[in-house]
Amino acid sequence: QKEVEQNSGPLSVPEGAIASLNCTYSDRGSQSFFWYRQYSGKSPELIMSIYSNGDKEDGRFTAQLNKASQYVSLLIRDSQPSDSATYLCAVNPGNQFYFGTGTSLTVIP
Amino acid sequence: DGGITQSPKYLFRKEGQNVTLSCEQNLNHDAMYWYRQDPGQGLRLIYYSQIVNDFQKGDIAEGYSVSREKKESFPLTVTSAQKNPTAFYLCASSRYRLGNYGYTFGSGTRLTVV
Repeated sequence: QKEVEQNSGPLSVPEGAIASLNCTYSDRGSQSFFWYRQYSGKSPELIMSIYSNGDKEDGRFTAQLNKASQYVSLLIRDSQPSDSATYLCAVNPGNQFYFGTGTSLTVIP
Repeated sequence: DGGITQSPKYLFRKEGQNVTLSCEQNLNHDAMYWYRQDPGQGLRLIYYSQIVNDFQKGDIAEGYSVSREKKESFPLTVTSAQKNPTAFYLCASSRYRLGNYGYTFGSGTRLTVV
């Protein structure tokens, strides 16, 4: 079983819609969770971090964490074509980060 | 501006040749990491270092070597023992208390075997 699993997509949403990205993880001891955005051919950039159960909002982005169910999600409101990228979920169970394979998102104008 | 610099951006390796990828950071971060990214496989950890003169193997260290002689620098050597080195290599850094901070990534080096 992989440490971190994501639906690889591709996920397509129309401009202005809400994009929902999901991630599950296997280690119940994981304490910190991150979402990275990666444009094609570029390196990942950190967009959200979350450490406690519940929701964390930053602009159009909302990260949601449910440790009991071992999932973390990212909502992107009012999706824009510039949001088209691969989104990587990263989980830290204690000594290193484990990354999912990423979900490819396309926002259609 | 603080950040991580990787060089070169593109690198071509001949069979049997060792090549070294450079990674320099001016963020004063203690920890540095090397990841390899292949299509459909996500990021896989090669080596990491949390302090100068100390480093640990990651999940796929075979065929790679590193050094950490200075806090700012963490070069990666891809040796001839690495049979499938073609990939996108990413260097990252973070503050020492890994659980509290995410990574800052460099811009990456794309290595191709010719």
